[in-house]
Amino acid sequence: SYELTQPPSVSVSPGQTARITCSGDPLPKQFAYWYQQKPGQAPVMVIYKDTERPSGIPERFSGSSSGTTVTLTISGVQAEDEADYYCQSVDSSGPYVVFGGGTKLTVL
Amino acid sequence: QVQLVQSGAEVKKPGTSVKVSCKASGYTFTDSYMHWVRQAPGQGLEWMGWINPNSGGTNYAQKFQGRVTMTRDTSISTAFMEVSRLTSDDTAVYYCAARSGTYPGAFDMWGQGTMVTVSS
Repeated sequence: SYELTQPPSVSVSPGQTARITCSGDPLPKQFAYWYQQKPGQAPVMVIYKDTERPSGIPERFSGSSSGTTVTLTISGVQAEDEADYYCQSVDSSGPYVVFGGGTKLTVL
Repeated sequence: QVQLVQSGAEVKKPGTSVKVSCKASGYTFTDSYMHWVRQAPGQGLEWMGWINPNSGGTNYAQKFQGRVTMTRDTSISTAFMEVSRLTSDDTAVYYCAARSGTYPGAFDMWGQGTMVTVSS
């Protein structure tokens, strides 16, 4: 199965914009999903099908896609957004579920 | 409301097996595949496989084939995941996860996690 590549860490100051990327060859053909995980908690989905935001997720969370890279953008970052973020997609050869390695977002 | 409730923490010796349960409520258990995901301490999420609760069919990640068995009991809306021949590398939090269908393709239902510690 293939790999999804994320930067290990991203740091921003409160109120700034955080962008977390996820790269993988199949991404143009397969949707990506984003999950937020805080310490000691199960993951929570924040973006589905590349760009869709589920109900209950703040509008400052958005997703985009371009070629083999998808991006999670958090506008006006708040202290409560500090967490690990994981992208996820599907390897249709299995089908298998694939997670990126995760990105730790630090709010300075 | 929709809930996935997992069994409690386990401590196991190397070479033994562990079986984790995941009880579903608030939705029709057989309507959604149940996936298992694990997370070693300080590490990322690792997908292990899924079971189709309707048919019992399974699909395991290549890494776990031959060592992981996923089963279900539809009478109690519960999925099970067993790992055999445990080593210290299997020390992790194990999650069950499923898709409600409200958000196509997304895992929007997660269990609370079960900590499995493998230690002699």
